[in-house]
Amino acid sequence: DIVMTQSPDSLAVSLGERATLNCKSSQTVLYSSNRKNYLAWYQQKPGQPPKLLIYWASTRASGVPDRFSGSGSGTDFTLTISSLQAEDVAVYYCQQYYSNPSNTFGQGTKLEIK
Amino acid sequence: QLQLQESGPGLVKSPETLSLTCTVSGGSINSTSYYWGWLRQPPGKGLEWIGSIFRTGDTYYNPSLKSRVTMSVDTSKNQFSLRLSSVTAADTAVFYCARQIYYYDSRGPIPRALAYFESWGQGILVTVSS
Repeated sequence: DIVMTQSPDSLAVSLGERATLNCKSSQTVLYSSNRKNYLAWYQQKPGQPPKLLIYWASTRASGVPDRFSGSGSGTDFTLTISSLQAEDVAVYYCQQYYSNPSNTFGQGTKLEIK
Repeated sequence: QLQLQESGPGLVKSPETLSLTCTVSGGSINSTSYYWGWLRQPPGKGLEWIGSIFRTGDTYYNPSLKSRVTMSVDTSKNQFSLRLSSVTAADTAVFYCARQIYYYDSRGPIPRALAYFESWGQGILVTVSS
């Protein structure tokens, strides 16, 4: 199984500041032939289901504000929120889908306002 | 606007079988572009994929749960279902149904493969009691 490890477990950032969330996979999720990273990011607000933010490591899902961006390749990935808004308070999860058809999630990073 | 809605008992006794149904509206479960998945989230914990099913009934299950999981699909009702047998308290969780991308990439490790979950139901809390 590919193990996904997110860091930090929790993060407090001031409004308007940049938030950087990390995700590391136990083995590469980059497929060399198509140069795609099989990684997604989700946002889960309290009492709500997860919402897809980013797929293929850096492609924003429809309707996701451009302050959210995904980067990284291979085993190390980052979700960046360029200017934190109050509505961004949530738990963020990364997911690998390289080990098709199986997929696994990280343990989550809880993002709060400082 | 696609909507997914989970339904079923909120309380199940151990070691009985948990049964849930997901009703899809605003889209067809017969699409060739998607699989339909079940995931769960124990209270205060992270997400775990349970399994996914195609319109034809083809299934993939999480190996750790495979011996206890059965999924089925009813295209006439635009529904798919989950059965999890021999439940224990450790199976207490919010269960989500979701639509999973099934994509084609000739340069990928396999030409057609499962990917991320693009739409989710609201979830249903199922508590397992002894």
